[in-house]
Amino acid sequence: KNQVEQSPQSLIILEGKNCTLQCNYTVSPFSNLRWYKQDTGRGPVSLTIMTFSENTKSNGRYTATLDADTKQSSLHITASQLSDSASYICVVRNAGGTSYGKLTFGQGTILTVHP
Amino acid sequence: ETGVTQTPRHLVMGMTNKKSLKCEQHLGHNAMYWYKQSAKKPLELMFVYSLEERVENNSVPSRFSPECPNSSHLFLHLHTLQPEDSALYLCASSPGFSGANVLTFGAGSRLTVL
Repeated sequence: KNQVEQSPQSLIILEGKNCTLQCNYTVSPFSNLRWYKQDTGRGPVSLTIMTFSENTKSNGRYTATLDADTKQSSLHITASQLSDSASYICVVRNAGGTSYGKLTFGQGTILTVHP
Repeated sequence: ETGVTQTPRHLVMGMTNKKSLKCEQHLGHNAMYWYKQSAKKPLELMFVYSLEERVENNSVPSRFSPECPNSSHLFLHLHTLQPEDSALYLCASSPGFSGANVLTFGAGSRLTVL
């Protein structure tokens, strides 16, 4: 069964500190992995996409890594800001299945940044 | 705004009411989706439409009835709901179904069933 597990469930850090969110998946065959950010009261917004051949990708203070062998991804946030407080969702696309593609969502990690 | 607009943003209804959620996208996308988001649970895909044709009904109870009159509009008609249906309902769109296509989500409609 295709699954995406995220850890931790929630995280509280002080402004300016770094943090790393984890995503483990069992989706196969693998197509790509996205990290979304969902602010309170808003829908998820894509931060980055990782394909099989990519190990690291950065988007400003966000850096995603992918280890396709161990089926793990991480999202590292550098020098956190109050606006980083949100839920971060890992989504893995299955390369097989229907033409519209099967997405498996993680349950999200809720990050709270305190001043 | 992301280009996907959902109304209403908040809805409270009794179990015997009939209401509808509306989604509109101005991105020229060909695919539209309804997702259910419950607290501490992954997003659950409900329906997928491609060019106004339903291509997925993910075992959703018949008390939820989708409608896609054109490629820009998507509705979710609600009837005889249960309290466990209380959740955030997210509409999304994408250009198509290729692997790199990203979903663009609306802000969601927060539904409370009393």
